[in-house]
Amino acid sequence: DAKTTQPPSMDCAEGRAANLPCNHSTISGNEYVYWYRQIHSQGPQYIIHGLKNNETNEMASLIITEDRKSSTLILPHATLRDTAVYYCIVRGASGGSYIPTFGRGTSLIVHP
Amino acid sequence: DGGITQSPKYLFRKEGQNVTLSCEQNLNHDAMYWYRQDPGQGLRLIYYSQIVNDFQKGDIAEGYSVSREKKESFPLTVTSAQKNPTAFYLCASSPPQFLPDSNQPQHFGDGTRLSIL
Repeated sequence: DAKTTQPPSMDCAEGRAANLPCNHSTISGNEYVYWYRQIHSQGPQYIIHGLKNNETNEMASLIITEDRKSSTLILPHATLRDTAVYYCIVRGASGGSYIPTFGRGTSLIVHP
Repeated sequence: DGGITQSPKYLFRKEGQNVTLSCEQNLNHDAMYWYRQDPGQGLRLIYYSQIVNDFQKGDIAEGYSVSREKKESFPLTVTSAQKNPTAFYLCASSPPQFLPDSNQPQHFGDGTRLSIL
């Protein structure tokens, strides 16, 4: 597994964009970047994943740098319900058994 | 709707007692996982199973046991050998991880919170 580094906490004003960074400097060529979030006392929820191209879905956008050593999850218009712990994970996609590892993530607080 | 169901949501155990946490999925996923989460911490892998009738130890398997007799079910038993079982337990499932180009994410249940009386 490539190790990821995330800031322990961030805050954001409601209605503004939340930009959550993740460093994964040891990522290898076939490893994807995944983002999940966990609202208190619930299971983690999948948000988005990507390999090298930027990705967007109804929940968020994922921007991966050209060298793939870091990425940013963007919540374009944060709401109070986006307050959660956000996990950035990298894992391989070919061959072998591969289990994601969840660190402590970033605790995002969206305030009014 | 497809998903993962964990039961019960809250569970209390007496000292020296074994308890079993249920995890059922109707996503037709081959792989299933159990994680433990302590307050303010990330998720630590207890056991995982890539296919029926097979399972592997994760990072913290001591004091736990599992079975995988059916594709849909992956129960976790917390035995009396687990000295500090109070935690939040999460079950997940995914398509098989051993296929080439497998990049599909895990899906999680809403957890079981286990406490010692």
